[in-house]
Amino acid sequence: QTVVTQEPSLTVSPGGTVTLTCASSTGAVTSSFYPNWFQQKPGQAPRALIYNTSNKHSWTPARFSGSLLGGKAALTLSGVQPEDEAEYHCLLYYGADNWIFGGGTKLTVL
Amino acid sequence: QVQLQESGPGLVKPSQTLSLTCTVSGGSISSGGYYWTWIRQHPGKGLEWIGYIYYSGSTYYNPSLKSRITISLDASKNQFSLKLNSVTAADTAVYYCATYNSNWFDPWGQGTLVTVSS
Repeated sequence: QTVVTQEPSLTVSPGGTVTLTCASSTGAVTSSFYPNWFQQKPGQAPRALIYNTSNKHSWTPARFSGSLLGGKAALTLSGVQPEDEAEYHCLLYYGADNWIFGGGTKLTVL
Repeated sequence: QVQLQESGPGLVKPSQTLSLTCTVSGGSISSGGYYWTWIRQHPGKGLEWIGYIYYSGSTYYNPSLKSRITISLDASKNQFSLKLNSVTAADTAVYYCATYNSNWFDPWGQGTLVTVSS
C-alpha cells in the first residue's frame, strides 16, 4: 500500500522560514506526481495553495512557495505570519486517476 | 464563481448505505473540464480522496473504496452524489465535495460530518 508521508508537526517563529515536505513510499516525488498543497484551519475546509509542484493560486500569499527537494515535494513558507498557523496537506497523483493525501503537518507559529 | 454545498444524513447505521449530495451553484455541472470530487477526513486525521466523476459521466474511484462507492451526476438538479454502502464505524468522517479542473482541487464545500453508529 502506497503511503505519502509528511512531518506530523513543525514549529516556527514569526518571521522565520520553514519547509514542509511530502514523501512517497514508492520513491522520489517528481513533477509527474503533480504535487498539490492545501492549508486547513480549524473548523474549516482545506483551501488550495499550490498545484503542479510550484504554481500558486491568485489568493496564495507570496511567502508560500512549492518545489521539489531531495526527492520530495516541498512547501516553503518565508517570513511566517501568525495567521499561517494551520494544518498543511499534500496530495500526490499515482496514475490511473488515483490520488493520495499525506497525513498532514500541523504548523505552529510560536 | 462556483460554490458547493454538501447535504445528507449526519447519522448512518452500520451496514447501511451512506448517501450524500453536493449542490453546485454559480456554474453548470454539465460544463466541460471539471471533475466533481468527493474527499473525506476522518476525525483528527488526514484527508482521503474518494473519487470523482467527469461531466461526461465517467467515474474514477479510490481503489481501496471502489467496491463500495458510486458517484453520480444529476444535471437537472445541478447536483452530484456519493453512495457508500456497507458502512462501518471506520467510515465516520467529514465528507467534502470539491471540483478538480485537471490542475487544482478548488473550490471545496464546507464539509458535512457523517457518523456511523447504531
